[in-house]
Amino acid sequence: DTAVSQTPKYLVTQMGNDKSIKCEQNLGHDTMYWYKQDSKKFLKIMFSYNNKELIINETVPNRFSPKSPDKAHLNLHINSLELGDSAVYFCASSQGVNEKLFFGSGTQLSVL
Amino acid sequence: GNSVTQMEGPVTLSEEAFLTINCTYTATGYPSLFWYVQYPGEGLQLLLKATKADDKGSNKGFEATYRKETTSFHLEKGSVQVSDSAVYFCALIKWNAGNMLTFGGGTRLMVKP
Repeated sequence: DTAVSQTPKYLVTQMGNDKSIKCEQNLGHDTMYWYKQDSKKFLKIMFSYNNKELIINETVPNRFSPKSPDKAHLNLHINSLELGDSAVYFCASSQGVNEKLFFGSGTQLSVL
Repeated sequence: GNSVTQMEGPVTLSEEAFLTINCTYTATGYPSLFWYVQYPGEGLQLLLKATKADDKGSNKGFEATYRKETTSFHLEKGSVQVSDSAVYFCALIKWNAGNMLTFGGGTRLMVKP
């Protein structure tokens, strides 16, 4: 069974659209994250939720909104997509904020 | 598909000890290889990278050499410090295959004074 699963794996869409990326973990972890992989292959943290509460919110456009319906899910909604949003987005989870991360397989978003 | 395998942790060392964290990969062609570090309470940071065979990546006293013949990218440091305590992730990117990072499972390093 996949521990951290995110869907879709590939997402191609037009500028201006609204899209969502879903993430689910079956590890019983308390903390979930969204990371963005930039063109230089740096991974930048976007958001972190602990027990459904937002604990990290880096400088990200407010077009990006995370939603955590329960501890096992952290979805990423993006409104009014822009060309610069094209990137790979990774979901991750951990048992507590200082514990090892477990990654999803990534979602490649392409905005045309 | 692509995969990365790294040694299970935790690895516990005394300060000034020599560190090796093994990493091997499976991928066709010539992927680029990376080591990322997750310090306590922080997000992932890129530690070092190598983009072709025999390249050596280095940063903060850490080194890793891209060995195509053994499909390995082992992380080494000659003398660890308490501040090196973190989780280390080996990763690869296979160009023209989505350009997505594929991560190993991570290895926790604990350095005791």
